[in-house]
Amino acid sequence: AQKVTQAQTEISVVEKEDVTLDCVYKTRDTTYYLFWYKQPPSGELVFLIRRNSFDEQNEISGRYSWNFQKSTSSFNFTITASQVVDSAVYFCALSEAGNTGNQFYFGTGTSLTVIP
Amino acid sequence: KAGVTQTPRYLIKTRGQQVTLSCSPISGHRSVSWYQQTPGQGLQFLFEYFSETQRNKGNFPGRFSGRQFSNSRSEMNVSTLELGDSALYLCASSYGLAGDQETQYFGPGTRLLVL
Repeated sequence: AQKVTQAQTEISVVEKEDVTLDCVYKTRDTTYYLFWYKQPPSGELVFLIRRNSFDEQNEISGRYSWNFQKSTSSFNFTITASQVVDSAVYFCALSEAGNTGNQFYFGTGTSLTVIP
Repeated sequence: KAGVTQTPRYLIKTRGQQVTLSCSPISGHRSVSWYQQTPGQGLQFLFEYFSETQRNKGNFPGRFSGRQFSNSRSEMNVSTLELGDSALYLCASSYGLAGDQETQYFGPGTRLLVL
């Protein structure tokens, strides 16, 4: 079963529209971290945010905001007043508390196209 | 602070050849993880190195191997290349083990094409 589900494969919006990217995760751990990364056409994954499982406060950074809801195991990402430069693939990821090694799970990504 | 660097950025090989990719982590980072990204399979974890030791390995055949040097730089090697190995290979570094909820920072990737 997928640890991280990004049900939206592709989204297109017109510039200045708001858009929300969904992320649903699955874990039995009480301590875990959630991440969002942006992958522009150049290929490099750019870190956007990290949130631990004990902090359910929503976060806003400029036009970006994140809504973390443990009750629904979701960590959604909203871009307000989208711009063409926001066009990229966005990945949600989950890191579970592990004794050793990499337990880092990526979703399949949502490709966002912002049309001018 | 310089980011994660990967060399080469692009590579074309033929089936049966071998290839070595290099990754230099952010200064001070001790963990390096490698991922393969393909359109069909998405981002798949290859392995993680920490303090010159492989700490974890994904579900890839033995043709995929890696190592880490004392300066934390890492290389991955793919032997006997197959067409299906064509992918973007991403390297990520973190201060501690990625499994300890460390934030991973990614390099630009090496795009490998196998003909």
